[in-house]
Amino acid sequence: SQQGEEDPQALSIQEGENATMNCSYKTSINNLQWYRQNSGRGLVHLILIRSNEREKHSGRLRVTLDTSKKSSSLLITASRAADTASYFCATGSSGSARQLTFGSGTQLTVLP
Amino acid sequence: EAQVTQNPRYLITVTGKKLTVTCSQNMNHEYMSWYRQDPGLGLRQIYYSMNVEVTDKGDVPEGYKVSRKEKRNFPLILESPSPNQTSLYFCASSPGGRETQYFGPGTRLLVL
Repeated sequence: SQQGEEDPQALSIQEGENATMNCSYKTSINNLQWYRQNSGRGLVHLILIRSNEREKHSGRLRVTLDTSKKSSSLLITASRAADTASYFCATGSSGSARQLTFGSGTQLTVLP
Repeated sequence: EAQVTQNPRYLITVTGKKLTVTCSQNMNHEYMSWYRQDPGLGLRQIYYSMNVEVTDKGDVPEGYKVSRKEKRNFPLILESPSPNQTSLYFCASSPGGRETQYFGPGTRLLVL
């Protein structure tokens, strides 16, 4: 079952602009993670934010988490053509330590 | 180098011919998982394993089998493949089920 739903499904921006992707989920979580996937390749972990955290930074990435709205956003600043990829959110349930549930992803295209 | 490996990377087979996709990790992770990825559906979990000899169904287990006889290996078995199992398959490992997951490069399977 899909827990996270990303929005938008596709995003196209110019190099140098910021890209914002959103993720909404339905049940209580222990953590929320963002992954990146280059076309046809394995997913790469970007950042993990725990349910008691509100914001986290890693390089050009900024993730926010609003547990009252059950939503998260991923901001990529000063985007580059190499950021072109699909981005997925994944939630770790607070009720079960057994699995992550992935959303269907946002396809980001950064135009040079 | 810490990694998850999968073999084969590409496979074309015919309906009903048993096949096995191997997965191996060198990070001493207890948790391993198989996903399939289909256009528009994101990642769906097939099976997961919390530890040696402990496996459980994910969201889409029908038509698949797994085993976990050793900590590092988690093969995916399709006893009688059908065309609806044509997909991109990923193996992943993690210190825990809802923690950061490390993905293999993927196996692209076509069942004719």
